[in-house]
Amino acid sequence: DGGITQSPKYLFRKEGQNVTLSCEQNLNHDAMYWYRQDPGQGLRLIYYSQIVNDFQKGDIAEGYSVSREKKESFPLTVTSAQKNPTAFYLCASSTPGGPGLGDEQFFGPGTRLTVL
Amino acid sequence: RKEVEQDPGPFNVPEGATVAFNCTYSNSASQSFFWYRQDCRKEPKLLMSVYSSGNEDGRFTAQLNRASQYISLLIRDSKLSDSATYLCVVTTNAGKSTFGDGTTLTVKP
Repeated sequence: DGGITQSPKYLFRKEGQNVTLSCEQNLNHDAMYWYRQDPGQGLRLIYYSQIVNDFQKGDIAEGYSVSREKKESFPLTVTSAQKNPTAFYLCASSTPGGPGLGDEQFFGPGTRLTVL
Repeated sequence: RKEVEQDPGPFNVPEGATVAFNCTYSNSASQSFFWYRQDCRKEPKLLMSVYSSGNEDGRFTAQLNRASQYISLLIRDSKLSDSATYLCVVTTNAGKSTFGDGTTLTVKP
């Protein structure tokens, strides 16, 4: 089965600890994305990567870091510098296309991070 | 001003009603447009892509107006199962995606 997996589904951490969220896809997609969603709000882009070994900051990158060493994997680290890390984190992937030619994003099930 | 703005909602409609959502975007470099559906505490799922020529999928019709920089979603003959939050997404030619905050639809019997 092709898809995107995120683990764990629920994660609890103490304040001041770094935590890494995993995201793996076997869809052979080039692009991957990390979003954060707070209750009652839309998704905000943290980081995105169009190809291996390259990534760009999104709208709210402060306090987060990523790596893209393999096409299949795009882990996100929530550092202690992130002021309000408790949120729903969603990973997505897509195959970049031209206008009207695709690049729809497919999402993993998400990780709910709670920092105590 | 946000890059992507949606009708604030919520929309509460009876079964069988027709409902329309609008979404405006400010970045003229935007090249791809989508509507996603998100159920409570779940990940968003693609509902449909939006093309300049407009596209229809059963009871759902999406349209794009590049000149006025807005996209729309029309749902006809609403079903109870259509209750969800609808998110519009705009992607630039550099691959950066921006989501609207979503519009919540509740269809009542």
